Amino acid sequence: SQQGEEDPQALSIQEGENATMNCSYKTSINNLQWYRQNSGRGLVHLILIRSNEREKHSGRLRVTLDTSKKSSSLLITASRAADTASYFCATGPDTGRRALTFGSGTRLQVQP
Amino acid sequence: DGGITQSPKYLFRKEGQNVTLSCEQNLNHDAMYWYRQDPGQGLRLIYYSQIVNDFQKGDIAEGYSVSREKKESFPLTVTSAQKNPTAFYLCASNSKWANGELFFGEGSRLTVL
Repeated sequence: SQQGEEDPQALSIQEGENATMNCSYKTSINNLQWYRQNSGRGLVHLILIRSNEREKHSGRLRVTLDTSKKSSSLLITASRAADTASYFCATGPDTGRRALTFGSGTRLQVQP
Repeated sequence: DGGITQSPKYLFRKEGQNVTLSCEQNLNHDAMYWYRQDPGQGLRLIYYSQIVNDFQKGDIAEGYSVSREKKESFPLTVTSAQKNPTAFYLCASNSKWANGELFFGEGSRLTVL
């Protein structure tokens, strides 16, 4: 089962604009993580936010988490053509299975 | 350099054949995972292992088998019982079997002819 659902499925913006992706999940979590995947490659970890945190920053990335709404957002500011990739959220459960569950992903295209 | 190595990168298989995908890590991680990715989709968990000689089924384990005889290695066998094996397979590992950051290999693309 896929825990996270991402919105939008695809996003196309111009270089320099901000990109916002959203993730919703169903069960209680220990943390939520965001990953990036270039076409045909493995995933790369971007940022982790714990269930007791509301916001986290890393460079041009800003992640928010609202556990009451079971949702998270990833904001990429001042996007670059090199940011073109698929972005996935993944949730770590607070009980039960010890493995991350991934969402369906958002495909981001940044036009130069 | 430390990392996860998957091989082969591309693999073609005839229907009815078993194939084994290799995953090796030199990160000294305890936990290892196998995920399957279909075109335009997210990742689905096949199997995972938290310690040597122990592993658990994920959401789509049917038609797959694994072993964990060494800490560094977690091979995945796609058996002939897997009805739709054509996919991109990703191996990952982490140092905390609960919820830590995952490190991924570059994937193996399996095509059934």
